[in-house]
Amino acid sequence: SQTIHQWPATLVQPVGSPLSLECTVEGTSNPNLYWYRQAAGRGLQLLFYSVGIGQISSEVPQNLSASRPQDRQFILSSKKLLLSDSGFYLCAWIRDRAPSGNTIYFGEGSWLTVV
Amino acid sequence: SQQGEEDPQALSIQEGENATMNCSYKTSINNLQWYRQNSGRGLVHLILIRSNEREKHSGRLRVTLDTSKKSSSLLITASRAADTASYFCATRGGTSYGKLTFGQGTILTVHP
Repeated sequence: SQTIHQWPATLVQPVGSPLSLECTVEGTSNPNLYWYRQAAGRGLQLLFYSVGIGQISSEVPQNLSASRPQDRQFILSSKKLLLSDSGFYLCAWIRDRAPSGNTIYFGEGSWLTVV
Repeated sequence: SQQGEEDPQALSIQEGENATMNCSYKTSINNLQWYRQNSGRGLVHLILIRSNEREKHSGRLRVTLDTSKKSSSLLITASRAADTASYFCATRGGTSYGKLTFGQGTILTVHP
């Protein structure tokens, strides 16, 4: 069966410090991978998606970047965090790319507080 | 801009009552999905309805889709305290990368 791991679960970082959130998927190959951000009490905003190694698309301009060094690894990074980067970050994957296809699976999320 | 918009934003009911949440969207879709999120956790998929379907059932869940009105509803029957969570609709359009666009969610509180 497929599983998705995301870490760290929580972190508190000072403004201006770097960030690295990691996500790995097990039990599948060549998944589409996604990073979402959720502000407190709000819906999810898609930040980045990747359809393959080294292929990253950004949905919104921001202080963050993403990389996919391996097929099942997706990393969210920042060189200098801003207060506005605080939020709940969710990694997700989907196996079926067909428009009528199946569901997206989420990790447990990473709580980031920038102080 | 947000594709899916849920209504109401918050819903408070007693155990045993039915809970109905609505979702409206703006552009054409291939499918619409409902997700549940317990506080501080990841999202869990509940049910998917395709654009050529009008109604779907899964246990105590019933989802309807009206593509002419660009709206969907999620009904939870005989609610339980454990159903307390946020519920999101998400739409998937005609792209190959499978982007899901989420609404703002409905916060459901079921009182025992």
